[in-house]
Amino acid sequence: GQQLNQSPQSMFIQEGEDVSMNCTSSSIFNTWLWYKQDPGEGPVLLIALYKAGELTSNGRLTAQFGITRKDSFLNISASIPSDVGIYFCAGPEMAGANNLFFGTGTRLTVIP
Amino acid sequence: NAGVMQNPRHLVRRRGQEARLRCSPMKGHSHVYWYRQLPEEGLKFMVYLQKENIIDESGMPKERFSAEFPKEGPSILRIQQVVRGDSAAYFCASSRGRADEKLFFGSGTQLSVL
Repeated sequence: GQQLNQSPQSMFIQEGEDVSMNCTSSSIFNTWLWYKQDPGEGPVLLIALYKAGELTSNGRLTAQFGITRKDSFLNISASIPSDVGIYFCAGPEMAGANNLFFGTGTRLTVIP
Repeated sequence: NAGVMQNPRHLVRRRGQEARLRCSPMKGHSHVYWYRQLPEEGLKFMVYLQKENIIDESGMPKERFSAEFPKEGPSILRIQQVVRGDSAAYFCASSRGRADEKLFFGSGTQLSVL
């Protein structure tokens, strides 16, 4: 079956450091979405990517749609304590599908 | 401009009881999705509905689970005769249209089965 693997599984970083995480798929995706989930809350959409090679920023967050269309990367610059949470990549389960398939998540802890 | 509203936030049921989870989509959204999340795991798709129609229920367990999105009122996820394994966070999401992959999620309902 389809798999979306995220790495690393968890990260502990010092406030102010930059963060990089990635997501790899067993199949080609036409859309990549990055979500953040705070404890006890639902995922919140951070960035949407629609084209191979696309690089999109949202404040201190930058995400890239990999050229192979089988991976995506999320970078967070100058981390702050409120960046703590779980970051999920997601994409439509198949072309034209609305329901999203979620990755395994990267849990980020920022040490003040 | 309210987002996706789910209630209750927390629901405790004893084995064998029924659980009803409610979801009101964002204003202007007519597509609703239900996801389940077990501790330390990602979200797993359950069902996708439009008003009065189930579009895709490929992620729904075959028994005890049902979902509806009536013409008036919220979408309901119903779990009959709950078992301990049903304990999870259930999230509802909505989108504007069929071709819109951007889903907006509610805060979820945490179901605990005793």
